[in-house]
Amino acid sequence: EVQLVQSGAEMKKPGESLKIACQTSGYSFSSYWIGWVRRVPGKSLEWMGMVFSGDSDTRYSPAFEGQVTISVDKSTSTVSLQWTSLKASDTAIYYCARQREYGWFDAWGQGTQVSVSS
Amino acid sequence: EIVMTQSPLSLPVTPGEPASISCRSSQSLLHSSGFHYLDWYLQKPGQSPQVLIYLGSTRASGVPDRFSGSGSGTDFTLKISRVEPEDIGIYYCMQALEIPTFGQGTRLEIK
Repeated sequence: EVQLVQSGAEMKKPGESLKIACQTSGYSFSSYWIGWVRRVPGKSLEWMGMVFSGDSDTRYSPAFEGQVTISVDKSTSTVSLQWTSLKASDTAIYYCARQREYGWFDAWGQGTQVSVSS
Repeated sequence: EIVMTQSPLSLPVTPGEPASISCRSSQSLLHSSGFHYLDWYLQKPGQSPQVLIYLGSTRASGVPDRFSGSGSGTDFTLKISRVEPEDIGIYYCMQALEIPTFGQGTRLEIK
């Protein structure tokens, strides 16, 4: 069974750094892209970027380029999303999802709530 | 950026009745492969999104056959032939032809 299990909720202050994780299992990790999607309260879903787990080829949405970093740890089949300096506007639920050819998402993590407030 | 526009944004439905959601894109989603890169997702309350339809009209594994997707070019529709109480949630269309973008979401509620 394909599973994506995300790290727990985080409460941070503006300016702090953060790394959240998405641990995968049940499939050949290196053969798929993993994407990150966020949902800001009261708004729709936004695609942030994706990484190919086999070679760490990474693509970002222009809206998030330079704001976050997506990385891969093949030894633990884990994909991470990190910030160096959080803002209040980063408050959202962040989902990782396995992205298939043609771009659709066939499996999702349970989501990680990130709250940024002074 | 391809802009996705859904309607309606709120959809009250009586169980057993049909429902339909429209999704329009700012440019054609037809890929050179012949497929339309348009997907539908449902986010049930308290859950992660789940795929219903991909490539415009292909039902994902395990999705009940009361869900169907159709359309071409810039106009797409998700239909539920007979709404069940467990179908409540927010429905999103998403294009994957370019950098993925989602529609605003349509909240389906039971009357």
